[in-house]
Amino acid sequence: DAEITQSPRHKITETGRQVTLACHQTWNHNNMFWYRQDLGHGLRLIHYSYGVHDTNKGEVSDGYSVSRSNTEDLPLTLESAASSQTSVYFCASSSRGRGYGYTFGSGTRLTVV
Amino acid sequence: EDQVTQSPEALRLQEGESSSLNCSYTVSGLRGLFWYRQDPGKGPEFLFTLYSAGEEKEKERLKATLTKKESFLHITAPKPEDSATYLCAVQAHGGSQGNLIFGKGTKLSVKP
Repeated sequence: DAEITQSPRHKITETGRQVTLACHQTWNHNNMFWYRQDLGHGLRLIHYSYGVHDTNKGEVSDGYSVSRSNTEDLPLTLESAASSQTSVYFCASSSRGRGYGYTFGSGTRLTVV
Repeated sequence: EDQVTQSPEALRLQEGESSSLNCSYTVSGLRGLFWYRQDPGKGPEFLFTLYSAGEEKEKERLKATLTKKESFLHITAPKPEDSATYLCAVQAHGGSQGNLIFGKGTKLSVKP
């Protein structure tokens, strides 16, 4: 069965370290997204990609970067982790076009100490 | 600016007590409205897509409806296993055509 997987599920890192969260999907979806979810804010878009070598900034992109070298993967990198980036991160994917909702991963809980 | 507002923030029901969740939206042109269910520690799970005013979708005890300004998720005779956070999202016409804009969710608790 097709799926979207995130790793790790939990991570603790120190302020200032570079961290990469992985997202891998086997749906063959063109679109991939990274969100963070915080109490009181809901899901906020960090970065998104509509295809290989395409990346775009979302609502809260400062301090984050992504790259898309193939269809299946969209890793999210925190260049220099800050305590404000403690959050739950969700990756999602979708097909192109009207009405295609997202399929979400199970999330990565990141704690920056 | 495209916006989604959900109410109430939290809702407590007794088992069998029917109710509705509201999703109000402001969007330049609606391509689709989505409902998701999210259980603690998990990613959101897709429930419904609605495309135009007057449309309705049903799944078990859940029924979603859509008007030009809002959507309702009606829960009929809920059970404890319906306890979850329900998220509403809209997909708009325009530049970022694939992107969903999410509301903050309604946390539903159903007590036996």
